[in-house]
Amino acid sequence: DTEVTQTPKHLVMGMTNKKSLKCEQHMGHRAMYWYKQKAKKPPELMFVYSYEKLSINESVPSRFSPECPNSSLLNLHLHALQPEDSALYLCASSRPGHHEQYFGPGTRLTVT
Amino acid sequence: DQQVKQNSPSLSVQEGRISILNCDYTNSMFDYFLWYKKYPAEGPTFLISISSIKDKNEDGRFTVFLNKSAKHLSLHIVPSQPGDSAVYFCAASEGVSYGGSQGNLIFGKGTKLSVKP
Repeated sequence: DTEVTQTPKHLVMGMTNKKSLKCEQHMGHRAMYWYKQKAKKPPELMFVYSYEKLSINESVPSRFSPECPNSSLLNLHLHALQPEDSALYLCASSRPGHHEQYFGPGTRLTVT
Repeated sequence: DQQVKQNSPSLSVQEGRISILNCDYTNSMFDYFLWYKKYPAEGPTFLISISSIKDKNEDGRFTVFLNKSAKHLSLHIVPSQPGDSAVYFCAASEGVSYGGSQGNLIFGKGTKLSVKP
């Protein structure tokens, strides 16, 4: 299995909703990442988990809450988002000590 | 301030010809460089990478060249095919460790390549 999968593909949520994005990989990668990508912009790193521990938080607002329940799964819990949070949310994974990150297809999030 | 720059937002090439995509960086601590290809509504796909101790890496039709003194790298695609039409992102990384924290990838803004039949 050489894939990173993400669910859902699309999500529309109101500003008072609570929702979660899910990411899964079965490549044995021990680093997992969340990126945010706005239209016509490059991906921007949000969080890094290394061996299931949060190692990087790029000053992301607390309305985004990551969780890594095990080595294959990564969640992003969303609460009280703003319309400017609408973006493509990408999950990626990599092997320990390796630079190459492998990305999922992303979740297209729209906040109304 | 952008640490990784792709100054050409778009490039159009005839099928069979060479495509050359360019990337410049400012941070001399970057020690690894990667190219990703992205189709609309999909995540970036890893293409090819190069360590700062090398000046060239080749994989099939794709070759990446690194000029450290100029802080410049380029991706050559030969021959270009219509299926290569996509947005290409250059990314750079400084340092990874096996023990814990992983390197952050800094992406350029991307170059949209169109290969015409």
